[in-house]
Amino acid sequence: KQEVTQIPAALSVPEGENLVLNCSFTDSAIYNLQWFRQDPGKGLTSLLLIQSSQREQTSGRLNASLDKSSGRSTLYIAASQPGDSATYLCAVKGANTGGFKTIFGAGTRLFVKA
Amino acid sequence: KAGVTQTPRYLIKTRGQQVTLSCSPISGHRSVSWYQQTPGQGLQFLFEYFSETQRNKGNFPGRFSGRQFSNSRSEMNVSTLELGDSALYLCASSLAVGDSGANVLTFGAGSRLTVL
Repeated sequence: KQEVTQIPAALSVPEGENLVLNCSFTDSAIYNLQWFRQDPGKGLTSLLLIQSSQREQTSGRLNASLDKSSGRSTLYIAASQPGDSATYLCAVKGANTGGFKTIFGAGTRLFVKA
Repeated sequence: KAGVTQTPRYLIKTRGQQVTLSCSPISGHRSVSWYQQTPGQGLQFLFEYFSETQRNKGNFPGRFSGRQFSNSRSEMNVSTLELGDSALYLCASSLAVGDSGANVLTFGAGSRLTVL
């Protein structure tokens, strides 16, 4: 059974700092891993999707990496801004979860102080 | 291009009632999946539909059901509501179901259900 863990659960950093959010998963048989952000009371916004054959994806100040063999992904945020404050979730689309279910981690709550 | 639309956005029900939530996917998207989000359990997969067929189901009781129409719009229904069903219900659409690793999930804003 696929399990997705995100560390840390919460993070507070000063504006301008570079930071790394971690996501680990137990079953390496995945199709993709997707990072989302969620603002309070809102839906999820897709940030980056990494297919199983890829090692990383970049979008603006965001860079996500994927290491299937170790069951890990990181989301790197450069030069953080107060507008980056949100909950960040990683989600794994697995091949062995009874038909390609997408399993989410519990999220990392990020607060960027001005 | 319109995003994923969920209605209603907010609703309040009492225990024992039933509720129907609607999701209109992005035009051209044929797969719709539903998730329940609560503070204690996080995001949990409910079910996924493709071409009017349920392809996957999460570990929820039979009170939770859904369907998909020929235009890819989907509804989910919860019967005999319990207090624990209070949650944000999120719908996501993607181009296709299956083993494509390129399918980006796009979420709606959610329907917040409160059961009193």
